[in-house]
Amino acid sequence: DQQVKQNSPSLSVQEGRISILNCDYTNSMFDYFLWYKKYPAEGPTFLISISSIKDKNEDGRFTVFLNKSAKHLSLHIVPSQPGDSAVYFCAASAYGAQKLVFGQGTRLTINP
Amino acid sequence: EAQVTQNPRYLITVTGKKLTVTCSQNMNHEYMSWYRQDPGLGLRQIYYSMNVEVTDKGDVPEGYKVSRKEKRNFPLILESPSPNQTSLYFCASTAGGSGNPYEQYFGPGTRLTVT
Repeated sequence: DQQVKQNSPSLSVQEGRISILNCDYTNSMFDYFLWYKKYPAEGPTFLISISSIKDKNEDGRFTVFLNKSAKHLSLHIVPSQPGDSAVYFCAASAYGAQKLVFGQGTRLTINP
Repeated sequence: EAQVTQNPRYLITVTGKKLTVTCSQNMNHEYMSWYRQDPGLGLRQIYYSMNVEVTDKGDVPEGYKVSRKEKRNFPLILESPSPNQTSLYFCASTAGGSGNPYEQYFGPGTRLTVT
């Protein structure tokens, strides 16, 4: 049972426009959510996170939105740059747990 | 430089031949984990360790063993590898205590092929 789902395997966006990556979860015990970015031949790197007590967290060009009632979060990248081309993983964790549950990943391609 | 290292980066082996993938971190992190990444499934946790001599199963522990005899090292052991363990493996570590317990630092990955 996939508790964290990224239903779009890939996304293509024009440089300078907004990229929106989506993630849905089923476990209501999750209270912390993260986005990781992965380049080929490298390990995932932490990008941004949000606690369930918030509905928005912003860090430069990256903003994560959390809709707890819909069990949905999204990552917005504005403006999108070629270096943003990577696979993005959504992850979730329940309080106090060291276990991260990951989604399947979305491959983002930024076109010049 | 703060980092998580894994060795080897690439490994091709045959069914049944025991192997160990090493993982080491230099950040004095308490928590370490092993994940495998498979197409369409994302990253799934195999085992994790909360401190020296403390380990527990993740979501897909079958066929794997781990040990945590030192804080910095967390090797993954495949006693009798099978083709369904062909995958991309990542080790990760997380600061406990005052650090963000959820932000995990990943190694570069080990691509394992079992024939």
